[in-house]
Amino acid sequence: NAGVMQNPRHLVRRRGQEARLRCSPMKGHSHVYWYRQLPEEGLKFMVYLQKENIIDESGMPKERFSAEFPKEGPSILRIQQVVRGDSAAYFCASSSGLAGEGMGNEQFFGPGTRLTVL
Amino acid sequence: GQSLEQPSEVTAVEGAIVQINCTYQTSGFYGLSWYQQHDGGAPTFLSYNALDGLEETGRFSSFLSRSDSYGYLLLQELQMKDSASYFCAARGATNKLIFGTGTLLAVQP
Repeated sequence: NAGVMQNPRHLVRRRGQEARLRCSPMKGHSHVYWYRQLPEEGLKFMVYLQKENIIDESGMPKERFSAEFPKEGPSILRIQQVVRGDSAAYFCASSSGLAGEGMGNEQFFGPGTRLTVL
Repeated sequence: GQSLEQPSEVTAVEGAIVQINCTYQTSGFYGLSWYQQHDGGAPTFLSYNALDGLEETGRFSSFLSRSDSYGYLLLQELQMKDSASYFCAARGATNKLIFGTGTLLAVQP
């Protein structure tokens, strides 16, 4: 059973370019979460999506960042006009989305995409 | 605001027991999760406490006290491979995780 897949694993962009990060959730999971991690820091929640819906985007910067999870295909985190401060590791996680407080809501993380902005 | 505080670093020797504490201030708290991360790789789920008390999973145990807004991760029979960063994370209403500052555990021979 394949885990959470993310690509690319490493991405280099120049200031002003666009970055597209892809995430395929675990088989059977329909809930996707994006987190950002700066060096020596913890992960920061960005956005939570279900198929074709954004459920919680309280951690997303107001400008330049967007996310989608279409009916078909992977979830995409898009960063427009990247700046050096966007350099970070971006992790995607997925869960089965079962309601309640039980283990069914455990999030499984992908290997991350390391974005470097020159 | 929401915050989870952990010690930045802990050092222990092989075979020992170590406890990593986590205090939190969050709204809409559903439970406390623990994750392990090696060298910036994928965080790996270790444990989750929805209710007060101790949860045991092999060499790892986790404890939660909602009244004290406090939890800890207990690692027993430490092995060199346990050297990693450990994060507590509060689970919110939409299942999003609010991560702590992280604790770097160094296991020495």
